[in-house]
Amino acid sequence: GENVEQHPSTLSVQEGDSAVIKCTYSDSASNYFPWYKQELGKRPQLIIDIRSNVGEKKDQRIAVTLNKTAKHFSLHITETQPEDSAVYFCAATRRDTGRRALTFGSGTRLQVQP
Amino acid sequence: DGGITQSPKYLFRKEGQNVTLSCEQNLNHDAMYWYRQDPGQGLRLIYYSQIVNDFQKGDIAEGYSVSREKKESFPLTVTSAQKNPTAFYLCASTNTGLAGTDTQYFGPGTRLTVL
Repeated sequence: GENVEQHPSTLSVQEGDSAVIKCTYSDSASNYFPWYKQELGKRPQLIIDIRSNVGEKKDQRIAVTLNKTAKHFSLHITETQPEDSAVYFCAATRRDTGRRALTFGSGTRLQVQP
Repeated sequence: DGGITQSPKYLFRKEGQNVTLSCEQNLNHDAMYWYRQDPGQGLRLIYYSQIVNDFQKGDIAEGYSVSREKKESFPLTVTSAQKNPTAFYLCASTNTGLAGTDTQYFGPGTRLTVL
């Protein structure tokens, strides 16, 4: 089955700096890669996703890049703000199978220092 | 996200007791999922269902059971066979049809504690 590894487990940045979180996956057939943000005690919220036919996707201060050959994808947050502080999870799945369940990374706790 | 509800928000279980967690969605989604989240860890798949009256084991199904009698409902029962059930349980759903967006929407979660 799929295995997703996520690094780093914790990340502390100063407000206004950029933050980068990296994930690798094992199943070369995976073709959908979402990123979720989870605040303490709350549900995960989708912040951005990318499909395997695209190398990069941006949404305001957030971007995701995908390298299919190396089987890794990354989340980039620019101009970080204190409200970006949360736990971020990457995930992977195959869209063309019945299961479509997500395999999650172990999470990155991002702390943005004011 | 607002289309998926879970109840209760907090649940306490005694040793040897079965408990059922509710998950309801009004998004007309075909597929529903149950995940377990332990402190400081990612989400792990317990069970999933692609259509009514059909469901499949996920990666950590032992000690759990589910049913899918209605499209909008996917309850999870934590049985006494689950030896370490204390965790945060999250239900999710997605539209797997041709027009599906692949996005999984999560419910607010149920925090289960064994006394």
